[in-house]
Amino acid sequence: EVQLVQSGAEVKKPGESLKISCKGSGYSFTSYWIGWVRQMPGKGLEWMGIIYPGDSDTRYSPSFQGQVTISADKSISTAYLQWSSLKASDTAMYYCARHPRVGAMLDYWGQGTLVTVSS
Amino acid sequence: SYVLTQPPSVSVAPGQTARITCGGNNIGSKSVHWYQQKPGQAPVLVVYDDSDRPSGIPERFSGSNSGNTATLTISRVEAGDEADYYCQVWDSSNVVFGGGTKLTVL
Repeated sequence: EVQLVQSGAEVKKPGESLKISCKGSGYSFTSYWIGWVRQMPGKGLEWMGIIYPGDSDTRYSPSFQGQVTISADKSISTAYLQWSSLKASDTAMYYCARHPRVGAMLDYWGQGTLVTVSS
Repeated sequence: SYVLTQPPSVSVAPGQTARITCGGNNIGSKSVHWYQQKPGQAPVLVVYDDSDRPSGIPERFSGSNSGNTATLTISRVEAGDEADYYCQVWDSSNVVFGGGTKLTVL
């Protein structure tokens, strides 16, 4: 069974750094892309970027380029999304999801990680 | 950048057919995917590549895509279908989501 399990909810202050994770199981982690999707409170889905864990090829949405860093550790089948300096506007639910290939759908999703940034 | 336009809301009575549209410039030339998101849950893929269904998705869910409009059709709507629905395509190496449609079952 394909599963993507994300790390737990986080409460941070503005200016703090954060790294959240997404662990894949039940499939060959290095053969599928992992994407990250943001959903702000009461809003729609926004694609942030993707990574291919097999070779760490990473691509960012223009809206998120320079704002976050996507990485992966294939030895532990885990992808990451990180911020160096959080803002209140980063408060959102963040989902990881699997892409079979670039150009394809997001076929399996993680349960989401809620990030709250507040002073 | 490429824009996908969905109606904010669609309402339908149980047992009837719901049609949710997704408009985009020449969207018929792209592969369209649809996701269902119930409150407090992660999105779930319900239709991919315009009209294919993942395993476990009822046959009541179907899709079509032509010209400037893609459509998700839900036949014999049930109360449990009440959710937000999002369309998605790739454009210029980026994923684009529609704004979402809230399906209300009357």
